[in-house]
Amino acid sequence: DTGVSQDPRHKITKRGQNVTFRCDPISEHNRLYWYRQTLGQGPEFLTYFQNEAQLEKSRLLSDRFSAERPKGSFSTLEIQRTEQGDSAMYLCASSLSGGAYEQYFGPGTRLTVT
Amino acid sequence: AQSVTQPDIHITVSEGASLELRCNYSYGATPYLFWYVQSPGQGLQLLLKYFSGDTLVQGIKGFEAEFKRSQSSFNLRKPSVHWSDAAEYFCAVGPGGSNYQLIWGAGTKLIIKP
Repeated sequence: DTGVSQDPRHKITKRGQNVTFRCDPISEHNRLYWYRQTLGQGPEFLTYFQNEAQLEKSRLLSDRFSAERPKGSFSTLEIQRTEQGDSAMYLCASSLSGGAYEQYFGPGTRLTVT
Repeated sequence: AQSVTQPDIHITVSEGASLELRCNYSYGATPYLFWYVQSPGQGLQLLLKYFSGDTLVQGIKGFEAEFKRSQSSFNLRKPSVHWSDAAEYFCAVGPGGSNYQLIWGAGTKLIIKP
């Protein structure tokens, strides 16, 4: 068990470009969550997968954001036409299902939009 | 509405002194409660959790927390802090929805004086 990993750790992009982040959860975890965190705030929920099914999306998630988890293992989060307001830390977490199991977080991807 | 309040944005404690970080929640049923720690530029690490049973829970790194239903609180304590405890601490409550998302406080930044 190597924990949750995220790639890249840092991404700097120009406004209007598309970016994609990857998350590899703990192997036996079938729940996967994406959060966004800005400075001085707690994480904000973005979206959630149970296996490959995306079961919930936050109203915060605009149409420019899309997430996939094609085979119920790793997940990708894509942001199209980035805006400066998208600058944040993007966190991925995973957990077991069947109860209120604790979520384990990856190190995050720091996105800076210039 | 479900919410988590961490009243202290910053707390400064001398090394070796005791620590208490406050967390109050608003929730319609018995919540699941978590404390996470985040070092600069890092993801979130679970310190401890409360689901049911004994209201005093022990966690990693010498931390403990007490669930007080009558006060809707879940305060984090440590008898003697070390310089390595300097970090940001987040309290979270769940489930925040049908898919076990967590509701987060805004965090408390712990500063350790030598």
